[in-house]
Amino acid sequence: GAVVSQHPSWVICKSGTSVKIECRSLDFQATTMFWYRQFPKQSLMLMATSNEGSKATYEQGVEKDKFLINHASLTLSTLTVTSAHPEDSSFYICSARGGGVPYNEQFFGPGTRLTVL
Amino acid sequence: QQQVKQSPQSLIVQKGGISIINCAYENTAFDYFPWYQQFPGKGPALLIAIRPDVSEKKEGRFTISFNKSAKQFSLHIMDSQPGDSATYFCAASGGEKDSNYQLIWGAGTKLIIKP
Repeated sequence: GAVVSQHPSWVICKSGTSVKIECRSLDFQATTMFWYRQFPKQSLMLMATSNEGSKATYEQGVEKDKFLINHASLTLSTLTVTSAHPEDSSFYICSARGGGVPYNEQFFGPGTRLTVL
Repeated sequence: QQQVKQSPQSLIVQKGGISIINCAYENTAFDYFPWYQQFPGKGPALLIAIRPDVSEKKEGRFTISFNKSAKQFSLHIMDSQPGDSATYFCAASGGEKDSNYQLIWGAGTKLIIKP
């Protein structure tokens, strides 16, 4: 099946620093990647959608200058949390869909736990 | 109109029993209804999915029942096992132009299977 990886699996950083999270589709070309945020015991909240080579589309209420998304290739998208603060601590999950997989199936990465001190 | 309502919020089932989780939607243009299973600290994993041209789909112990007229679909887990203890999410997509097939998520159901 389609495999999506994320790196790192967890990260701890100091307030004010920036953190980059990578999302890779390992065995298919991801024309679209999605970034989600999940708080404990809650559902997934879509942050943004990115298509390869295009600017990401952010959901209402998500600060695009704080959560920078780059989808530079068909296998890699990155999420950079800039000037992170404790309230940015969360579980960040990416997913991907694209060529070679059924058109509207999304495959998810294992998630990245971000803790901001 | 974009909401997907999921119930119950939590569910406890005895080992060997049947677990049933229900979802309802409003947007009749949705054309893809997946169920995801999520273990603590992990990303969601696609369990089973259905499209509206069929009323039921079965994969092993997992069955989706789909009622197009009622705009409802449900997940049935037969012979529930302790290893099935997880959070289950229903979702739906389709129906919006240029939507990139975004998933609309239910709130999730925490399932506990008692040995």
